[in-house]
Amino acid sequence: DGGITQSPKYLFRKEGQNVTLSCEQNLNHDAMYWYRQDPGQGLRLIYYSQIVNDFQKGDIAEGYSVSREKKESFPLTVTSAQKNPTAFYLCASSGSGQRAETQYFGPGTRLLVL
Amino acid sequence: AQSVTQLGSHVSVSEGALVLLRCNYSSSVPPYLFWYVQYPNQGLQLLLKYTSAATLVKGINGFEAEFKKSETSFHLTKPSAHMSDAAEYFCAVSESGTYKYIFGTGTRLKVLA
Repeated sequence: DGGITQSPKYLFRKEGQNVTLSCEQNLNHDAMYWYRQDPGQGLRLIYYSQIVNDFQKGDIAEGYSVSREKKESFPLTVTSAQKNPTAFYLCASSGSGQRAETQYFGPGTRLLVL
Repeated sequence: AQSVTQLGSHVSVSEGALVLLRCNYSSSVPPYLFWYVQYPNQGLQLLLKYTSAATLVKGINGFEAEFKKSETSFHLTKPSAHMSDAAEYFCAVSESGTYKYIFGTGTRLKVLA
């Protein structure tokens, strides 16, 4: 079955630690996205990538970093500079990145701070 | 800049009653609009989308939405609520010139037995 996988489902971060969230898709999509979801705030875009080896900052990129070395993979690193990382993180992908394209979402990773 | 407003962060309906979830958008260009559903601790699933074809859009699970340009609205409806419809619903608009979506803050639907 084609789809998007995210791992781990739950992730715990200690203060000062960098952690990496995995996102893999086998939909052959060019565009991939990372969103942060907080209660009552909807989804906010962290980073997006339209093609391999290229990515752009979204609305809340500070304290996060990404890479896009392969079409299928778009990992997100939450750095120690992100002071309030507790949230639900969602990865998504879309075909060619046209405006009408549907974004397909993974199951999410919940990040908690110890 | 484009934006989306969802009126009512929480909506409760009785099982079998009409579901109406409101979404208003702001856009300087013809919008592309989407409704997604999210069950607890899961990702988002597309219910339906409007891409400038028919103004009445039918989606999955019996949901539909009507695009009204004069009211800048794209409200989501379902004639008869089912217990399984309890979830959070998000309206989104595709931003002109980019691949970005702008999401509303969501409406949590509760279905009462």
